[in-house]
Amino acid sequence: GAVVSQHPSWVICKSGTSVKIECRSLDFQATTMFWYRQFPKQSLMLMATSNEGSKATYEQGVEKDKFLINHASLTLSTLTVTSAHPEDSSFYICSANGDEQFFGPGTRLTVL
Amino acid sequence: GENVEQHPSTLSVQEGDSAVIKCTYSDSASNYFPWYKQELGKGPQLIIDIRSNVGEKKDQRIAVTLNKTAKHFSLHITETQPEDSAVYFCAASYGSGGSYIPTFGRGTSLIVHP
Repeated sequence: GAVVSQHPSWVICKSGTSVKIECRSLDFQATTMFWYRQFPKQSLMLMATSNEGSKATYEQGVEKDKFLINHASLTLSTLTVTSAHPEDSSFYICSANGDEQFFGPGTRLTVL
Repeated sequence: GENVEQHPSTLSVQEGDSAVIKCTYSDSASNYFPWYKQELGKGPQLIIDIRSNVGEKKDQRIAVTLNKTAKHFSLHITETQPEDSAVYFCAASYGSGGSYIPTFGRGTSLIVHP
């Protein structure tokens, strides 16, 4: 089946720094990718829809200037958490829609 | 928008028993209902799905039923095994092919005791 990868799988950073997370569709092209955030023992919360070649669509309450999304090609979307703070620590998961929605393995972000 | 309720939040069974997880949805326009299994520290994996033109679907030990009138759907796992232990999420969405965005339930933590 289709595979979606994420890099890095985990990252620890200092408060105030920026972190970039990559999401790749490995064997199919995805004009649309999605970014989710998941806190411990909670469900996946959609943050934004990433559209290739155009601006991302953010869900209500998600700061677009803090969570920068770039979808430069049909196989790559990036999420940059700018000026990260401890409350941004979470599990970030991307997905891409092929015949079904394929999820990446997630990225664990810890902000000290 | 769509609202998906999922119960129970935690389910503990003995190996070999059956497990049932139930979900309800609010938007009658929803027509696609996937179920995901998420193991600790990993992304969700699709295990089975059902579309609104079907009432039941089975894949080996896993089955899903859908009642469109009542707007609820259920996941049934028979002959549970310890490796079935994980968090299971139901979801509901409208669309076809790759054009859908699912709304997730809150998840059920399934624990299968050997």
